[in-house]
Amino acid sequence: GAVVSQHPSWVICKSGTSVKIECRSLDFQATTMFWYRQFPKQSLMLMATSNEGSKATYEQGVEKDKFLINHASLTLSTLTVTSAHPEDSSFYICSAPSGRSYGYTFGSGTRLTVV
Amino acid sequence: QQQVKQSPQSLIVQKGGISIINCAYENTAFDYFPWYQQFPGKGPALLIAIRPDVSEKKEGRFTISFNKSAKQFSLHIMDSQPGDSATYFCAASNRGDSGAGSYQLTFGKGTKLSVIP
Repeated sequence: GAVVSQHPSWVICKSGTSVKIECRSLDFQATTMFWYRQFPKQSLMLMATSNEGSKATYEQGVEKDKFLINHASLTLSTLTVTSAHPEDSSFYICSAPSGRSYGYTFGSGTRLTVV
Repeated sequence: QQQVKQSPQSLIVQKGGISIINCAYENTAFDYFPWYQQFPGKGPALLIAIRPDVSEKKEGRFTISFNKSAKQFSLHIMDSQPGDSATYFCAASNRGDSGAGSYQLTFGKGTKLSVIP
């Protein structure tokens, strides 16, 4: 149980285009979804926290107009990278508290490459 | 300010040996300490977690040792296998001011473990 399905697993896009990443909780309700960014050989950096039905909270230094987060239902949260640039190329991962003694379930990640 | 310090950055262990990774934290409000295993190109997967009311937790070959007074916790992998080769992250979280569901994880920088035959 407690699966977060993340799609796509990888995507290549051209500079200036937008890319949407979806995370779905398959067998539990994700009231909260955390979005992370991970550069090669580095740790996970929290970008933003989304709560169902309300605006996301962004970490300092993260452009909210570039990284649009929508959490319209208890099972779906999306991250849209708008007007992507090569420096946005990274590994993006979502995570949700799965309701079992503070457990967190992570998605499988999305490798974004902007060319 | 890094709230969770992890060491070593990389670790090479022979098959059958014990792998030990250490973490130290600063925020005394943390009340949940998980360890995650991450393979290249994949999301982190929970290995084992501990709460501060116990000093040790064991699950199979994986053991967490927790020292509340020293604000340190460690992961021990017994009988390390080549399949254990991955990056390991310690993390910590607290409940957060908004109550259940809003607590975020603070990660260590990771340890790349290589288990050689």
